[in-house]
Amino acid sequence: KNEVEQSPQNLTAQEGEFITINCSYSVGISALHWLQQHPGGGIVSLFMLSSGKKKHGRLIATINIQEKHSSLHITASHPRDSAVYICAVRPNRGSNYKLTFGKGTLLTVNP
Amino acid sequence: GAVVSQHPSWVICKSGTSVKIECRSLDFQATTMFWYRQFPKQSLMLMATSNEGSKATYEQGVEKDKFLINHASLTLSTLTVTSAHPEDSSFYICSARLAGGSDTQYFGPGTRLTVL
Repeated sequence: KNEVEQSPQNLTAQEGEFITINCSYSVGISALHWLQQHPGGGIVSLFMLSSGKKKHGRLIATINIQEKHSSLHITASHPRDSAVYICAVRPNRGSNYKLTFGKGTLLTVNP
Repeated sequence: GAVVSQHPSWVICKSGTSVKIECRSLDFQATTMFWYRQFPKQSLMLMATSNEGSKATYEQGVEKDKFLINHASLTLSTLTVTSAHPEDSSFYICSARLAGGSDTQYFGPGTRLTVL
């Protein structure tokens, strides 16, 4: 079982819809990252969380440390939001700042 | 925001040649840089952790003599794929961790390597 599980694996939405991508992890962590990767492209860091909630534009990320769960929300989705969204955690034991990655969620937003 | 660059962004080479990929943190110092490989439709796989001024730490299964890593300064790490073969064709991505004990990491745009 992967230490980091994302759901759903694939998500198709219509422009304007509210989108939620979930990430669950099984180990204690120091930090959780949400990353975005467009097809054929590099990785963009969206958020780094250790507690609570962060907002940037139409993106909101939340984390519940006790439940070992994080969500990434996109409000008023747009076709340019189409990308793979990756959750990554930094375990708080012996990781030397290495990240453990989820398999990603492929989001397609149709016009 | 902080920027990490990689050079080249793509490279095509013949089998048996060596290819060097650079990873630079442009506006911050990075104590640690990480090198990842990503095959199509798969997640990132950590290859090695590179600390400035010391030898890189390689993940299990990654050949250190084939993937040479040099981290000569707080802003530059290089990955050299020696005697490249078609199976080394992949997307190579680096990330740089902010110096000073921070969890903040910034990712580079990646380098697409194609070995013919």
